[in-house]
This record gives sequence, C-alpha cells and structure tokens, in this order.
Amino acid sequence: EAGVTQFPSHSVIEKGQTVTLRCDPISGHDNLYWYRRVMGKEIKFLLHFVKESKQDESGMPNNRFLAERTGGTYSTLKVQPAELEDSGVYFCASSQDGQITDTQYFGPGTRLTVL
Amino acid sequence: GESVGLHLPTLSVQEGDNSIINCAYSNSASDYFIWYKQESGKGPQFIIDIRSNMDKRQGQRVTVLLNKTVKHLSLQIAATQPGDSAVYFCAEAGKTGGFKTIFGAGTRLFVKA
Repeated sequence: EAGVTQFPSHSVIEKGQTVTLRCDPISGHDNLYWYRRVMGKEIKFLLHFVKESKQDESGMPNNRFLAERTGGTYSTLKVQPAELEDSGVYFCASSQDGQITDTQYFGPGTRLTVL
Repeated sequence: GESVGLHLPTLSVQEGDNSIINCAYSNSASDYFIWYKQESGKGPQFIIDIRSNMDKRQGQRVTVLLNKTVKHLSLQIAATQPGDSAVYFCAEAGKTGGFKTIFGAGTRLFVKA
C-alpha cells in the first residue's frame, strides 16, 4: 500500500512568489492534516480536513496560506505571496478515522526555501 | 525530504545499551501522548502511544512512561541499535486541543557502533 506522498520534495522560490504544495493521502483516509516545521523548531499543526471540509484550521498562520481538498482526495497548500519566514518543511499526514487516538501517517515533507 | 535541525538536544549511546529520551509536555488537559521517530529525509513515524489513564505501556523494545503529576513523558529503547538513530518527538493531544497534535522540539539520538 502506498504511503502519504508529497510533491515537490524541495521548492526554492523568491519572496513574493507563489508556491503550491501537494499532498496525496493514503487511499481511503478521510482525514488529512498539514503541519510545518520552521528553522529547526517544533512541528506545528496547520489544519485538519475531514474529506473536503476543514475541521480545524486554527493553526494557519495568516491569510497568505490557502489549503484546499476538492473532492476529498488530494490536498494543496498554497502560499501567496511567500515571505522569508515561510521557509521550512511542510508535512502532510493522513488518518482513517480522525479520532485523537487514530494513527497519523506522515509524508516525507516538502522543504520550502524562500529567498 | 528534511534534514533534522541543528540545535536539538542530543543523546549519544553505545550500541546495545538502553536509551531514555525525556519530554515535558505543556497541557495538563492532554489525554493522549505519542512518540514519533523521524529519520533523515522522512516524515515522522509513529512508534508508541499512551492514554492518560495509564502510566506505562510497552511495545517491541520500546516502553513509554507517563508521569502526569509533573507532566513528563519518557521513551525507553532497549538494546539500542544503529537503526534507532533518528530524531524522536513526543506529542500530545486532548479534548481541549481538538484534533491538533502538539509536538515537542525533538531529541536527536546517536547510536555508536
């Protein structure tokens, strides 16, 4: 069974540009999460989808970030316009049931560098 | 992928020894705790979890201890192997946090052959 995949693995952009990250969850997982880790700090929650609906987006840092999950399958996270402080690694995870105790399976992450 | 951070607390152990990685969590209302392992170039991988109504749980070569009084969590790895070298994160979740998983800063484990 394929795990969570993320694309691209690396992205280098200039300040002010737009970047779109993609996450494909494990097939059949209704719950999809975005996290990010900036500059070696702790991994921080961004938001949680249940199918195509945003269950919790309290971790989204500001309105330059837009997450979508049309059709309830893959998700995209767009940063527009990107700022220097957005540099970091963006992780996606998925789980089947969405309970707190349900194991979240993480993708390898997308490393974003904003110059 | 990701290379691990440069300023993480580091634990260095000899192959075959036991490792103990400690973590202090922040929210006394958290009722579920997880340990993740992150190898270079990969995302965090679930190792073991524990509910707040327990104080110890054992897996294969790993044991998690929970002390709610002092909000402390530890991960014990028996007979540490070179393949255990990674960054280890503790994480917490609870009713007040909804479905958010709150991660700690991580500890880098080096296993010397």
